Amino acid sequence: EAAVTQSPRNKVAVTGGKVTLSCNQTNNHNNMYWYRQDTGHGLRLIHYSYGAGSTEKGDIPDGYKASRPSQENFSLILELATPSQTSVYFCASGDGVQNTLYFGAGTRLSVL
Amino acid sequence: SQLAEENSWALSVHEGESVTVNCSYKTSITALQWYRQKSGKGPAQLILIRSNEREKRNGRLRATLDTSSQSSSLSITATRCEDTAVYFCLNNTNTGKLTFGDGTVLTVKP
Repeated sequence: EAAVTQSPRNKVAVTGGKVTLSCNQTNNHNNMYWYRQDTGHGLRLIHYSYGAGSTEKGDIPDGYKASRPSQENFSLILELATPSQTSVYFCASGDGVQNTLYFGAGTRLSVL
Repeated sequence: SQLAEENSWALSVHEGESVTVNCSYKTSITALQWYRQKSGKGPAQLILIRSNEREKRNGRLRATLDTSSQSSSLSITATRCEDTAVYFCLNNTNTGKLTFGDGTVLTVKP
């Protein structure tokens, strides 16, 4: 069964600190995505990747970096976390053909 | 900018009733997907309907696609309390960038 695992599930960070959110998929999918979801908003695309070594900017990339060191792993990096980045973050993988997305369970990030 | 938008923010029905969620989009698509997100979980796909299809069914779910008006609908018949969730549409384009609409909150009351 398709599996996308996010870690940590919950994170409290301090303003100005560095935060790394990790995502691992066992689907062997080429495409991976990072979204954030805030109350009253849908899922907003931050960064995505077509494969190892590739990262692309989504709709709201400012303040975030992404890293795709391997087919399985896709990280989201907040170099200088701000309270406005408090949100729930979802990672997803997609096969790039029909582009069905398989989501992880999400990471709840609070920046104080 | 949003490439896919659901047309109603919130809907409420009673168990057993039918409900329809609508979606409009602004670009040429290869397919349109409907997702459901239950509280505390990531979204999960319900139906994918290709641009050359007009209707697709999955159990109590029926999706339609009208490429001329750039709209889609998701109908749920015989609703159950467990259908309570947020419903999103997502349009597939020729790029790898996949953007969701804001979603429609559906509440099914006993």
